[in-house]
Amino acid sequence: DVKVTQSSRYLVKRTGEKVFLECVQDMDHENMFWYRQDPGLGLRLIYFSYDVKMKEKGDIPEGYSVSREKKERFSLILESASTNQTSMYLCASSNGLAGITDTQYFGPGTRLTVL
Amino acid sequence: AQTVTQSQPEMSVQEAETVTLSCTYDTSESDYYLFWYKQPPSRQMILVIRQEAYKQQNATENRFSVNFQKAAKSFSLKISDSQLGDAAMYFCAYRGYNNNDMRFGAGTRLTVKP
Repeated sequence: DVKVTQSSRYLVKRTGEKVFLECVQDMDHENMFWYRQDPGLGLRLIYFSYDVKMKEKGDIPEGYSVSREKKERFSLILESASTNQTSMYLCASSNGLAGITDTQYFGPGTRLTVL
Repeated sequence: AQTVTQSQPEMSVQEAETVTLSCTYDTSESDYYLFWYKQPPSRQMILVIRQEAYKQQNATENRFSVNFQKAAKSFSLKISDSQLGDAAMYFCAYRGYNNNDMRFGAGTRLTVKP
């Protein structure tokens, strides 16, 4: 089974802090994604990466950055956390092959609260 | 840009009954993929069912089936013989044929009553 893990299930930070959210997948997947999930808005893509050291902006990249130094690990960074970044953050990965089999597999999520 | 709309924020079904969750999408592409994901309370999101747009036959997975209407850009999920474990948030998602990223709807929260 594909396993996608996230470093924390719950995180509480203060405004202005630098926050790191880590995601690791064990299936040698090419693609990795970061979403935030908010009630009534569904999942919105923040950033994704299709290869090591490669990244693409999603729909809402402002206030976030990412790092992918190794294939299995994709980090989301909040340079200076703000209260409007309080949300559930979901990481996902996919194998990057063309076609229907390129299904995304999700981690358990990190619920971040910024005070 | 493609958009996915789930018009039912909440749905309720009696155990053993059938329920249909609605999803519509907007796209100018002719080839794409559609997905339904399930997110149980405090648990990981998992894939329920997927459909290739070029296939006319509706996908089925055990008690889960879809009604894919390409012309109407509609992709509804039918859950038959509903079980308590089906209670979850359900998300409809769209992915373009040559894209890596997906577009998700806002979700439908399904409650199953015993």
